[in-house]
Amino acid sequence: EAQVTQNPRYLITVTGKKLTVTCSQNMNHEYMSWYRQDPGLGLRQIYYSMNVEVTDKGDVPEGYKVSRKEKRNFPLILESPSPNQTSLYFCASSQGQFSSGANVLTFGAGSRLTVL
Amino acid sequence: GENVEQHPSTLSVQEGDSAVIKCTYSDSASNYFPWYKQELGKRPQLIIDIRSNVGEKKDQRIAVTLNKTAKHFSLHITETQPEDSAVYFCAATVRGGSQGNLIFGKGTKLSVKP
Repeated sequence: EAQVTQNPRYLITVTGKKLTVTCSQNMNHEYMSWYRQDPGLGLRQIYYSMNVEVTDKGDVPEGYKVSRKEKRNFPLILESPSPNQTSLYFCASSQGQFSSGANVLTFGAGSRLTVL
Repeated sequence: GENVEQHPSTLSVQEGDSAVIKCTYSDSASNYFPWYKQELGKRPQLIIDIRSNVGEKKDQRIAVTLNKTAKHFSLHITETQPEDSAVYFCAATVRGGSQGNLIFGKGTKLSVKP
């Protein structure tokens, strides 16, 4: 089944304890992206990646890191989490090339992170 | 930077009425405009999209219109049903890297009252 898989789905952690949210897609998609969703603020993009070893900042990259060493994986790293990073996080992927045509963005199920 | 503005933020309609959600975008090079629906507790899913060479697209009770001159596009839902209750996001492509990026509006919470 074609899908985007995120782990963990739920996590409660404490300030300063490094954590990684994994994201993996099995559709050979070039484009991958991370969003955080907070009430009233919609889907804000954290980082995105056009392809392996190519990453760019989105609207809210502060406090996050990403890497794209393989096409299928795009982990989100919080080196020193803070309470303001408590949020619902979505990973998504697409075949890519938005500039040249329609490509459906497929979302993972979401990861709800609480930082105490 | 480039952005997408979405209005209204909340919308309440009676079952059977129509609902309209509007978005404006700032990048004149935007050429792809999808709409996503997010039901409570679930992930966003594409419901309809439109390309810049088309002015309108319909799929049963939903339709999207695009006005490139004014840089705005709208989602129209007719004969609304309670299962249409959800948060709807519009999005638009923007220039970024060699292949572009996709950015979202802040969402509209639609409530359909039986």
